[in-house]
Amino acid sequence: EVQLVQSGAEVKKPGESLKISCKGSGYTFTSYWIGWVRQMPGKGLEWMGITYPGDSDTRYSPSFQGQVTISADKSINIAYLQWSSLRASDTAMYYCARQARYNQNFDYWGQGTLVTVSS
Amino acid sequence: QSVLTQPPSVSGAPGQRVTISCTGSSSDIGAGYDVHWYQQFPGTAPKPLIYGNNNRPSGVPDRFSGSKSGTSASLAITGLQAEDEADYYCQSYDSSLSGWGVFGGGTKLTVL
Repeated sequence: EVQLVQSGAEVKKPGESLKISCKGSGYTFTSYWIGWVRQMPGKGLEWMGITYPGDSDTRYSPSFQGQVTISADKSINIAYLQWSSLRASDTAMYYCARQARYNQNFDYWGQGTLVTVSS
Repeated sequence: QSVLTQPPSVSGAPGQRVTISCTGSSSDIGAGYDVHWYQQFPGTAPKPLIYGNNNRPSGVPDRFSGSKSGTSASLAITGLQAEDEADYYCQSYDSSLSGWGVFGGGTKLTVL
């Protein structure tokens, strides 16, 4: 069974750094792209970026380029989303999702990680 | 502002048919990229509903169907049920150099 399990909720202060994770299981982790999706409170879904654990190829939406870093450690089947300096506007739910091989849709989703940034 | 445009809300009575539109441009849907749809209930992760324009994942009722034409796509729900009340999002890809995904702004479906 394919599963994506995300790390728990985080409460941080502006300016702090953060790295959240997404562990894949039940499939060949290195053969599928993993993406991250943001959902701000009461708002819609935003495509942030995607990484291919097999060769670390990573692509970002222009809206998120330079704002976050997406990576993966294929030795432990974990993808990451990180910030070097959080802002209050980063407060959101973040989902990881596996991209299907042939259609570029997200076919499996993690449960989400709530990030709250507040002074 | 979302790249793909959806109506903020639609509504229908039980048993009726509703459609949700998703309008893009020549750089995404019109460039030939597939359109996918997701259903999201409050407090839960999105669930895949339609992939590759008109394909249903296993377990999705055939009351849900998708179509695509030109720079737009549509999700149709027939035989509307109370349990269909949720948010619906379309997704495609942008044809720029490195390529990235794009979502619609989402549509809230209310079952009257």
